[in-house]
Amino acid sequence: SQQGEEDPQALSIQEGENATMNCSYKTSINNLQWYRQNSGRGLVHLILIRSNEREKHSGRLRVTLDTSKKSSSLLITASRAADTASYFCATDWGLGGTSYGKLTFGQGTILTVHP
Amino acid sequence: AAGVIQSPRHLIKEKRETATLKCYPIPRHDTVYWYQQGPGQDPQFLISFYEKMQSDKGSIPDRFSAQQFSDYHSELNMSSLELGDSALYFCASSPAGTGVGEQFFGPGTRLTVL
Repeated sequence: SQQGEEDPQALSIQEGENATMNCSYKTSINNLQWYRQNSGRGLVHLILIRSNEREKHSGRLRVTLDTSKKSSSLLITASRAADTASYFCATDWGLGGTSYGKLTFGQGTILTVHP
Repeated sequence: AAGVIQSPRHLIKEKRETATLKCYPIPRHDTVYWYQQGPGQDPQFLISFYEKMQSDKGSIPDRFSAQQFSDYHSELNMSSLELGDSALYFCASSPAGTGVGEQFFGPGTRLTVL
């Protein structure tokens, strides 16, 4: 299946430190997205990186994509206690630029930032 | 800005009962997706609709059905509920005309089956 995998499954850091989460996937993708979910709540879109992009920034977020290794990483710099949440990568897969639309999520990383 | 609306936010049902979850997409979004997230699990795609037609189907049980109406809202109907159906059900919408892009998620409906 297209199921993505994320590591680490859980990450605990101190405020001000950087947090890096990794995601791997199995098939061709059109884009890879990162979502954040506070405990039991809705999914909030963080950033999208297209298959022809290698790196993207948004505020304190930096995402990289390596399509040869079928992997992506999300870096949160200068973390804050409010960043405590689960982070999911999700792939929109397809061939030749055609999107199948549905997202396939990784298993998520639980990030805890201690004040 | 308007967001995706889901109702109800919480629902408690008994085994073998039926449930109907509703989703109102962001205005001018014509594609709706349904996802199920079990406790401690990642969201799993159930079904999607584009312009009122089913566009894709995932791991949706035969006991579940869904449709998209002329005003683009969607309903997920769940019958013969089982304990294992207890989960968060998310609806997401996107302007499919752009083909590829972000999906906007609603706050979810938490279904508890007793």
